[in-house]
Amino acid sequence: DIQMTQSPSSLSASVGDRVTFTCRASQNITTFLNWYQQKPGKAPKVLIFAASSLQSGVSSRFSGSGSGTDFTLTISSLQPEDFAIYYCQQSYRTPYTFGQGTKVEI
Amino acid sequence: EVHLVESGGGLVKPGGSLRLSCAASGFTFSTYSMIWVRQAPGKGLEWVSSIGYNSGYIYYADSVKGRFTVSRDNGKNSLYLQMDSLRAEDTAVYYCATLPTQVGWGQGTLVTVSS
Repeated sequence: DIQMTQSPSSLSASVGDRVTFTCRASQNITTFLNWYQQKPGKAPKVLIFAASSLQSGVSSRFSGSGSGTDFTLTISSLQPEDFAIYYCQQSYRTPYTFGQGTKVEI
Repeated sequence: EVHLVESGGGLVKPGGSLRLSCAASGFTFSTYSMIWVRQAPGKGLEWVSSIGYNSGYIYYADSVKGRFTVSRDNGKNSLYLQMDSLRAEDTAVYYCATLPTQVGWGQGTLVTVSS
């Protein structure tokens, strides 16, 4: 199975901060990498698909990059509504494994 | 607008069975592969199963293989997950989603396995 490792597991930030998370795959997944945001009691929301494609309707302050095994999600200017848990997921091969998540807190 | 609505969750005893449904609308269901993802209370996301647009391929996570069965009825725009021999560790919110996942997700249905 492909293991997905996210770092950090949590971070404290302030409104207006530039924030970057990383996700590392245990093997090459080319660009089959999605990023999700999840708030308590809600379904995951797709932010980025195919490593760097912004999902329709998602703010342009979110951006993704990377290929192969190393990926990043960047929020250019953190907003109050961005405090949530962020997950990466590989869709290269089943099982379509998720990272353990990064919790963004104030 | 893509709309996915899960149903069928509830409380079941260990060893029992439950059938989840996912009703799809707003897109051509018959042309999309679909997946089930679950999330145990306070835990992360876990992929459970995938099924091809015409049921031509089916995959399961090792944790549910042999106990869960995924199926679909394209005529009814519906996806199903038959869950047998349920265990406490199957307690989770179960989501259906399209594959690729950027097309749509449901809101989830809670399955609780407890005596």
